[in-house]
Amino acid sequence: AQSVAQPEDQVNVAEGNPLTVKCTYSVSGNPYLFWYVQYPNRGLQFLLKYITGDNLVKGSYGFEAEFNKSQTSFHLKKPSALVSDSALYFCAVREGSGGYNKLIFGAGTRLAVHP
Amino acid sequence: GAVVSQHPSRVICKSGTSVKIECRSLDFQATTMFWYRQFPKKSLMLMATSNEGSKATYEQGVEKDKFLINHASLTLSTLTVTSAHPEDSSFYICSARAYQDYGYTFGSGTRLTVV
Repeated sequence: AQSVAQPEDQVNVAEGNPLTVKCTYSVSGNPYLFWYVQYPNRGLQFLLKYITGDNLVKGSYGFEAEFNKSQTSFHLKKPSALVSDSALYFCAVREGSGGYNKLIFGAGTRLAVHP
Repeated sequence: GAVVSQHPSRVICKSGTSVKIECRSLDFQATTMFWYRQFPKKSLMLMATSNEGSKATYEQGVEKDKFLINHASLTLSTLTVTSAHPEDSSFYICSARAYQDYGYTFGSGTRLTVV
């Protein structure tokens, strides 16, 4: 069965510094991977996805993620963190290869960017 | 872009009553909708998957008779929490997906409090 792991409950970064939020996955077949961000009492906002193609995926709000097949990782990165980036981040993998399959979410990582 | 509207954003109800939550896709046809439950500081737990015009598929451990899901049209799915109890208090989030799109769009969530 597909799964994702986010090994860090929380990541603390100073504003202006680069940030990385880690995600590793386990899938059978080709992985369809996603990153979402959640602000308090809100739904999830899509950041980026990897389906196929370039290993470096660029997304919303200056975020990017690197797909690494050998390490089965899909870490989220941003060159320069903003205080407004502070939120809960979820990595997800789509289960199965069908068109309607559900997303399996990681446990989430709370990002705290300090001024 | 794809927009999913979820209402209400907050609801307080008395124990024993029923509550209906609506999830609408505003600018696309959502052949599949997903309902999630999120506990405080926790990840999203998938409750059920619904395809338009057919019965919902519930995840293991989710009570079908308690959490009624209807997906009568390509733009509307509803979740009804029947005979609600305080332990049903939670944050409920819907997600919708069009057939020819790899993306999953989320509603803004509903905070249910049962008193």
